[in-house]
Amino acid sequence: DIQMTQSPSSLSASVGDRVTITCRASQSISNYLNWYQQKPGKAPKLLIYTTSSLQSGVPSRFSGSASGTDFTLTISSLQPEDFATYCCQQSYSIPYTFGQGTKLEIK
Amino acid sequence: EVQLVESGGGLVQPGGSLRLSCAASGFTFSTYWIHWVRQAPGKGLVWVSRINSDGSTTSYADSVKGRFIISRDNAQNALYLQMTSLRAEDTAVYYCVRGGGSGRSPFDNWGQGTLVTVSS
Repeated sequence: DIQMTQSPSSLSASVGDRVTITCRASQSISNYLNWYQQKPGKAPKLLIYTTSSLQSGVPSRFSGSASGTDFTLTISSLQPEDFATYCCQQSYSIPYTFGQGTKLEIK
Repeated sequence: EVQLVESGGGLVQPGGSLRLSCAASGFTFSTYWIHWVRQAPGKGLVWVSRINSDGSTTSYADSVKGRFIISRDNAQNALYLQMTSLRAEDTAVYYCVRGGGSGRSPFDNWGQGTLVTVSS
């Protein structure tokens, strides 16, 4: 199985901050890396797919990039509604695997 | 508007069975791969199973292989997950999730989830 190692597991930041979350795949997954946002008691929401494509309706302050098997989600200027848990997922091969999640909290 | 509405969750004893359903609307159901993903209380997301658009290909996580069966009825726009020999570790919210036209598509729409609790 492909392991997805996400860091950090939690992060405190302020409105307006630039935030970066990283996910490392245990082997090559090409560009099949997706990012989801989940708020308490709610279903996950797709933010970024295939490394850097912005899902329809998602604000442009969200972006994704990659370097080899390291993938990054960046939020350029945090807004109050962005405080949530973020999770990466590889859709390259089954079993699809998710990172452990990063809980983004208000500082 | 894409909608996925799960039902069928509840409390079941270890070793018992449960059938989850997912009613889809707002898109051409028969052209999409569909998945089940679960999330134990306070834990991360875990992929459970997938089925291709015409139902001819299915896949399972090792943890449920041989105990769970995924199926679909494209005429009824419905997805199912038959769960047997349930264990305490199957306790989770189960999400019905739309993939795309291939097995590598992202999970772009999620249902609200249905809670399955396995306990005596």
